[in-house]
Amino acid sequence: GESVGLHLPTLSVQEGDNSIINCAYSNSASDYFIWYKQESGKGPQFIIDIRSNMDKRQGQRVTVLLNKTVKHLSLQIAATQPGDSAVYFCAVGFQKLVFGTGTRLLVSP
Amino acid sequence: NAGVTQTPKFQVLKTGQSMTLQCAQDMNHEYMSWYRQDPGMGLRLIHYSVGAGITDQGEVPNGYNVSRSTTEDFPLRLLSAAPSQTSVYFCASSTGTVGNNEQFFGPGTRLTVL
Repeated sequence: GESVGLHLPTLSVQEGDNSIINCAYSNSASDYFIWYKQESGKGPQFIIDIRSNMDKRQGQRVTVLLNKTVKHLSLQIAATQPGDSAVYFCAVGFQKLVFGTGTRLLVSP
Repeated sequence: NAGVTQTPKFQVLKTGQSMTLQCAQDMNHEYMSWYRQDPGMGLRLIHYSVGAGITDQGEVPNGYNVSRSTTEDFPLRLLSAAPSQTSVYFCASSTGTVGNNEQFFGPGTRLTVL
């Protein structure tokens, strides 16, 4: 089966910095990858997704990079704001998602 | 649209009691699923459904039952609650179609089993 791990449990950045959150997955046949943001007391919220036929996808202030060779996924947040403070999860799979353990992003002014 | 709704928000049970967690969505999504989230862990899939009348097991199905009689509703039943089932439960829904598979999560039910 699939297993998903995140590299850092906590990431602290200053407001305005760029943030990079990393994720590793185990199954080279995995086809679909998603990043979620979870604020305290709320359900996960979709940020961006990427399929295995792409290596980069951009959204508003966010970029997801996929390196299939080393089975690594990253989420880049540009000009990080206090409102970006949350736990970020990567998930792998199309409908039956396998989640990583999450990275808590702390943004200080 | 209300999106995905879950009731109750909080629940305390005694060991051995049974209960049903409710989940409803008004987006006409075919795919619905239940996850549990334990402290320091990611979400783990309990059961899922690809449409009315069709359900299947996820990663951690033991102690839980589901049914899907309508597109809108996907209740999760705890048969005989155990302290190990203390967790936050999230319901999610999506279209389940390639190219448009964003999963929408409900606000969660925080369950404590004493």
